[in-house]
Amino acid sequence: DAKTTQPTSMDCAEGRAANLPCNHSTISGNEYVYWYRQIHSQGPQYIIHGLKNNETNEMASLIITEDRKSSTLILPHATLRDTAVYYCIVANNNDMRFGAGTRLTVKP
Amino acid sequence: GAVVSQHPSRVICKSGTSVKIECRSLDFQATTMFWYRQFPKKSLMLMATSNEGSKATYEQGVEKDKFLINHASLTLSTLTVTSAHPEDSSFYICSARDGRAGANNQPQHFGDGTRLSIL
Repeated sequence: DAKTTQPTSMDCAEGRAANLPCNHSTISGNEYVYWYRQIHSQGPQYIIHGLKNNETNEMASLIITEDRKSSTLILPHATLRDTAVYYCIVANNNDMRFGAGTRLTVKP
Repeated sequence: GAVVSQHPSRVICKSGTSVKIECRSLDFQATTMFWYRQFPKKSLMLMATSNEGSKATYEQGVEKDKFLINHASLTLSTLTVTSAHPEDSSFYICSARDGRAGANNQPQHFGDGTRLSIL
């Protein structure tokens, strides 16, 4: 019962920017957008989150559309270590429910 | 940053054994912790929400007598898989959120998971 839609898979060339889209057209006004990634056999790693403003940290940038119905996670210079499943989640201080995510493969 | 420690990372045991998995928040207090289960090549599925000092809230279809959850302190929640059988083999992951006032909408932080194999 995830509230987000993401492409099943994407490829990116090493050193290039990876842009991962997410649709969340039913997002509520008080729900945040969170991004996590999971590398094989590990727990999900927090990347970034935001409400309506664009956000940037040392890992990535998060661009949220003005109507908040979609967002894009940007990895500015993808490396081979960024190969993982990326999950976009909308939630409000409650439990997080995961969709299928996007399997990003960074290629040399 | 916030760290969640999960132990053990891997356990292999015989059918009928009960297995306890621990989830600890190392540098913050967590009034609420969450337990997930993940099958191979599938996404995480929320099993239950663990509340400090009260009963856990289980998702529909999750047997509370099979998956016992105890959250006795602000830094520790345990999941016990009782009388485990091969179909209980899976990757179990916990998460926690900083429970301090003003920490609303802070992200959950996840442990590294426990791979449970029942023979």
